[in-house]
Amino acid sequence: LAKTTQPISMDSYEGQEVNITCSHNNIATNDYITWYQQFPSQGPRFIIQGYKTKVTNEVASLFIPADRKSSTLSLPRVSLSDTAVYYCLVGPLIYNQGGKLIFGQGTELSVKP
Amino acid sequence: DTGVSQDPRHKITKRGQNVTFRCDPISEHNRLYWYRQTLGQGPEFLTYFQNEAQLEKSRLLSDRFSAERPKGSFSTLEIQRTEQGDSAMYLCASSLRTSGSGANEQFFGPGTRLTVL
Repeated sequence: LAKTTQPISMDSYEGQEVNITCSHNNIATNDYITWYQQFPSQGPRFIIQGYKTKVTNEVASLFIPADRKSSTLSLPRVSLSDTAVYYCLVGPLIYNQGGKLIFGQGTELSVKP
Repeated sequence: DTGVSQDPRHKITKRGQNVTFRCDPISEHNRLYWYRQTLGQGPEFLTYFQNEAQLEKSRLLSDRFSAERPKGSFSTLEIQRTEQGDSAMYLCASSLRTSGSGANEQFFGPGTRLTVL
């Protein structure tokens, strides 16, 4: 599975847009990019997934350049409740590869008032 | 609340004791996963079931660990002869395996925090 690199931590203020970039230079043709969010003392929660270009849902946007060697999770107008750890995962769809998700260390986002 | 429940939420035990955790997945989900998470790290895969069959086990799952999903519904994870290094958050997740699904989405429970003294 492709190794991912993302910043260990980021700080932001309420109302700002936050962009978290993940590098995955060895991404394979059948790999998807998936982001999870984890609040303290809770399990991770799926945020968004994409293969190429741009994906947007009610929570976030995911930008993937043509070479797919990196991706950027964009959180619009963050609030204090967006303080969490964000994980970038790269791999084939779980129903193809057997199910397991491979998590890295994640990016700890701290949103300040 | 994702619909996945775990019991207990916290467990404190002495080294050498056996512990058992339970996970109740979302009822229609046929896949169930166990992960372990230590402080400052992302979750690490331990094992997963499709219905009642255990299809994969991580090398992290030593002989002291055993997991079951007897009727393809709830699952238990047992740790025998606990060691201090077993202290961690044990997370359960479930998903529905459908070939048409494009989402790598697993639904996680709140976890069981184990402390081994």
